[in-house]
Amino acid sequence: TQLLEQSPQFLSIQEGENLTVYCNSSSVFSSLQWYRQEPGEGPVLLVTVVTGGEVKKLKRLTFQFGDARKDSSLHITAAQPGDTGLYLCAGTTSYNNNDMRFGAGTRLTVKP
Amino acid sequence: NAGVTQTPKFRVLKTGQSMTLLCAQDMNHEYMYWYRQDPGMGLRLIHYSVGEGTTAKGEVPDGYNVSRLKKQNFLLGLESAAPSQTSVYFCASRLRGGYTFGSGTRLTVV
Repeated sequence: TQLLEQSPQFLSIQEGENLTVYCNSSSVFSSLQWYRQEPGEGPVLLVTVVTGGEVKKLKRLTFQFGDARKDSSLHITAAQPGDTGLYLCAGTTSYNNNDMRFGAGTRLTVKP
Repeated sequence: NAGVTQTPKFRVLKTGQSMTLLCAQDMNHEYMYWYRQDPGMGLRLIHYSVGEGTTAKGEVPDGYNVSRLKKQNFLLGLESAAPSQTSVYFCASRLRGGYTFGSGTRLTVV
């Protein structure tokens, strides 16, 4: 079983729609990161959150870290075809900040 | 600034063959990592290094060995390849914050 569960696994929407993807765990994380990966490339870091309840915005993307530091969400406003990709969440615990665990990802397709 | 460079990009091996994947970073990062990515399973940590001359096991280390003789290079070796090692392999490095990934090596073991 995955330490980090992401949902939904697949999401296909029209340009201009809003969406939220989720990253959940029963473990507490000292930090959590979101990455976006395009076909044939490695993941690219979008954001790092470290404080429970923290909210960070990156243009049309809003990231939230749960109060208990066990879950996170990514909200995209007015999605564009350029947002298409695999969104991965990843977290480290206080036991070993070099053992970053990844969720399986949400594959987003935004149709024009 | 090349970032993290992985070679080769593609490779097909026969069962039992050996090979080495090379990762090179030019950012003077202390920490380096090898992950494998399989469909539906996300990225899983194989081995990592916290500095030149050090290595440590990750989540799925069996069947792999690593070496970090120089700070900028992190090598991943497969001594006797098995079909279960068919995967996309990613190398990453970091200084303190987020990871910088290479573009991956697609390995097929037949």
